[in-house]
Amino acid sequence: GAGVSQSPSNKVTEKGKDVELRCDPISGHTALYWYRQRLGQGLEFLIYFQGNSAPDKSGLPSDRFSAERTGESVSTLTIQRTQQEDSAVYLCASSPSGSPYEQYFGPGTRLTVT
Amino acid sequence: QKEVEQNSGPLSVPEGAIASLNCTYSDRGSQSFFWYRQYSGKSPELIMSIYSNGDKEDGRFTAQLNKASQYVSLLIRDSQPSDSATYLCAVNSYSSASKIIFGSGTRLSIRP
Repeated sequence: GAGVSQSPSNKVTEKGKDVELRCDPISGHTALYWYRQRLGQGLEFLIYFQGNSAPDKSGLPSDRFSAERTGESVSTLTIQRTQQEDSAVYLCASSPSGSPYEQYFGPGTRLTVT
Repeated sequence: QKEVEQNSGPLSVPEGAIASLNCTYSDRGSQSFFWYRQYSGKSPELIMSIYSNGDKEDGRFTAQLNKASQYVSLLIRDSQPSDSATYLCAVNSYSSASKIIFGSGTRLSIRP
């Protein structure tokens, strides 16, 4: 079946602009995760959703970052007033009910803030 | 102290040899442990999971877990050039259900 998809694949934006990143999880997967990966670094947890609720938002770096999920499917990560340090690959992953730790990753969105 | 620690490498191993990747974690309450492989420019993919002390084998891969020492490792037998990638160790967060913490990864290079 179809895997996790993310859009756009690449985004170049000017400092101060808002950006919206989208994730479509695998159909039927109840959990959805957002991570940030800077060049040459590991995965930095941002937020996860169980259904439409977000039990853990502890990884969001600042109040410029927000995320929502609707209908237990699509999720959007919004970054307001982007800064150069926001430049990274943003990865989304989903996992099935009963196997919350077996995460399937999307291809990521490469964000460049100029 | 980082929650999940790995040697960043690069680890260079000759083709056909055994590659040994190590990981330590700080949360004694962690119960689930994972190894993900990430090729350059690609997303991570799950290759092994282990939940009990001891060894778990899957093809050329063996995961080893020692909860007393808070140590988990991945052995790759008969290493192939296609095994060249970054290997990420991940551990469940005892304090936050359904969350896993990733290490920063070890870059493995298999030389022909």
